[in-house]
Amino acid sequence: QAVVTQEPSLTVSPGGTVTLTCASSTGTVTSSHYTFWFQQKPGQAPKTLIYDTTNKHSWTPARFSASLFGGKPALTLSGAQPEDEADYYCLLSFDNNWVFGGGTRLTVL
Amino acid sequence: QVHLVQSGAAVKKPGASVKVSCKASGYTFSTYAINWVRRAPGQGLEWMGWMSTYNGNTKFAQKFQGRVSMTADTSTSTAYLELKSLRSDDTAIYYCARDVNYDYWGQGTLVTVSS
Repeated sequence: QAVVTQEPSLTVSPGGTVTLTCASSTGTVTSSHYTFWFQQKPGQAPKTLIYDTTNKHSWTPARFSASLFGGKPALTLSGAQPEDEADYYCLLSFDNNWVFGGGTRLTVL
Repeated sequence: QVHLVQSGAAVKKPGASVKVSCKASGYTFSTYAINWVRRAPGQGLEWMGWMSTYNGNTKFAQKFQGRVSMTADTSTSTAYLELKSLRSDDTAIYYCARDVNYDYWGQGTLVTVSS
């Protein structure tokens, strides 16, 4: 089974910009992996920010954007807010077998 | 509006089975798939599988093959996850999520496996 790797932790200053990435042990990630990005805060269910690589839900703040960069999915947060402090997970499809990344703990400080 | 309401916390002994429910409201149940995801203490999210509420088709993560079943009762708009032969490392919060786009999530069900 593929292993999906994320930065274990990142720190961003309030108002700053940070990019989270997601690497696959199988190599280059493409749009065929239908990447998702989720945000989870303590004691809450995950919230889906991005689906199908770059698409936002209606509730996704405009400061979040997603792309494929250098063969890896990337989630960029521009203008970080204190409420963005959370765990972030990517989810990739490998022929309909889905694998989560290990998660990135984002600190806004 | 759309809601997914899960069953309450459960405590099970090793070797037992657990069945978690996910009751949907606010939409036509059989038109959206249900995914199941879990998060063990101190660990990340883990995809368990997916089921079509339309025709009952399922896809499970290899890790759970033979131990998991996913079913749905369209008359009550409820999806079920059953996990058998429980081990201590199955202690986790189990979540249901709607559709291939994971747009709505249940609140989670804590399952504790302990002797």
